[in-house]
Amino acid sequence: DTGVSQDPRHKITKRGQNVTFRCDPISEHNRLYWYRQTLGQGPEFLTYFQNEAQLEKSRLLSDRFSAERPKGSFSTLEIQRTEQGDSAMYLCASSPQGVGSLYGYTFGSGTRLTVV
Amino acid sequence: AQTVTQSQPEMSVQEAETVTLSCTYDTSESNYYLFWYKQPPSRQMILVIRQEAYKQQNATENRFSVNFQKAAKSFSLKISDSQLGDTAMYFCAFVTGTASKLTFGTGTRLQVTL
Repeated sequence: DTGVSQDPRHKITKRGQNVTFRCDPISEHNRLYWYRQTLGQGPEFLTYFQNEAQLEKSRLLSDRFSAERPKGSFSTLEIQRTEQGDSAMYLCASSPQGVGSLYGYTFGSGTRLTVV
Repeated sequence: AQTVTQSQPEMSVQEAETVTLSCTYDTSESNYYLFWYKQPPSRQMILVIRQEAYKQQNATENRFSVNFQKAAKSFSLKISDSQLGDTAMYFCAFVTGTASKLTFGTGTRLQVTL
């Protein structure tokens, strides 16, 4: 297993366009998390899945944001009508369920979004 | 509310020296786990060390150790024999037994110099 993969690594988009990011977690991990990290800040929680179920969403996740994990494997995060304030690094992480999740997450390299 | 505070935005240490990064947190729960993550420039975040709140003994991983003061809700990271490769952002984080998401601090940028 090569760890958590995120695609693309970088994305530049014009304001108002839609973008979609993909995350492939570690195959044995049934929990998947999305975080957003702006410059000089720590990661902020957006949402997480247990298998295909989206169990929690942050208030940061406006109605322009949607995340899916259709088969409990990879996940996508879509941002509609992007705004300049959406510019950030979007991090994906995965962990096993239960006690294993208390051992910390495995993070991907992130997708850096720049909205111009 | 659960919060993590890292009061040192930037720190610098010379190679081979020891440095301590500070972290305080706030939670009303008694069961939780604390972490230090390292994020090198343009690279992914990796786990450095973890500490279970119910354990009194401070965790140690090679050159990295923590000073966990539960009553003070303090969780500092000590890096001994600093190396150039330790240059990175360091984030303190925790997760409670009833929650699933990690809560992060704002990070400390550590620069190791020759």
